Amino acid sequence: AQKVTQAQTEISVVEKEDVTLDCVYETRDTTYYLFWYKQPPSGELVFLIRRNSFDEQNEISGRYSWNFQKSTSSFNFTITASQVVDSAVYFCALSEVTNAGKSTFGDGTTLTVKP
Amino acid sequence: DTEVTQTPKHLVMGMTNKKSLKCEQHMGHRAMYWYKQKAKKPPELMFVYSYEKLSINESVPSRFSPECPNSSLLNLHLHALQPEDSALYLCASRKAGREWRENEQFFGPGTRLTVL
Repeated sequence: AQKVTQAQTEISVVEKEDVTLDCVYETRDTTYYLFWYKQPPSGELVFLIRRNSFDEQNEISGRYSWNFQKSTSSFNFTITASQVVDSAVYFCALSEVTNAGKSTFGDGTTLTVKP
Repeated sequence: DTEVTQTPKHLVMGMTNKKSLKCEQHMGHRAMYWYKQKAKKPPELMFVYSYEKLSINESVPSRFSPECPNSSLLNLHLHALQPEDSALYLCASRKAGREWRENEQFFGPGTRLTVL
């Protein structure tokens, strides 16, 4: 069975601070996908980043960066210079390569960025 | 067109009503999903259609009946629901190809369902 753990339930920061959201996963599959999604109060889940299990290259995209470490089964997400509009629930998800891409979501981390 | 649309946005229904939720995408995606999301919880997978065939049913009660009329449309028929079925119902689609770079799910805005 697959499992995704987001240990941080809620995080509160002041605007312009950097914030890292943690994600740890468990799977027996050797090939899998990892995703981060953002869910603002409006309700729609917005795709942010994908990573596959054989690509540990970390990236920076604007204010977002990701740290994928297969050895520790972690896929952390960092927002640099946070803004009020970043306030949302962030979900980490693990997806099977087969089985219609079935995804397992973590419980989510609620990020509040205060002005 | 790079979005998933869902109608209606809000739905209030009684326990004896029959209603349907609709989801549409025109991205050529061949996998479509229904999720149920309760407040402060992650989305829970209900059904997956792959190439218009039901491939996953996560032991969902029969009062929820999915339908995939064609590759762009996904419906969820509702009948005799219970108050505990009140939730946000999300539809998603995925390319379902071999290229891993395009295998994220794109979500619609959801239908907020209230069962009285």
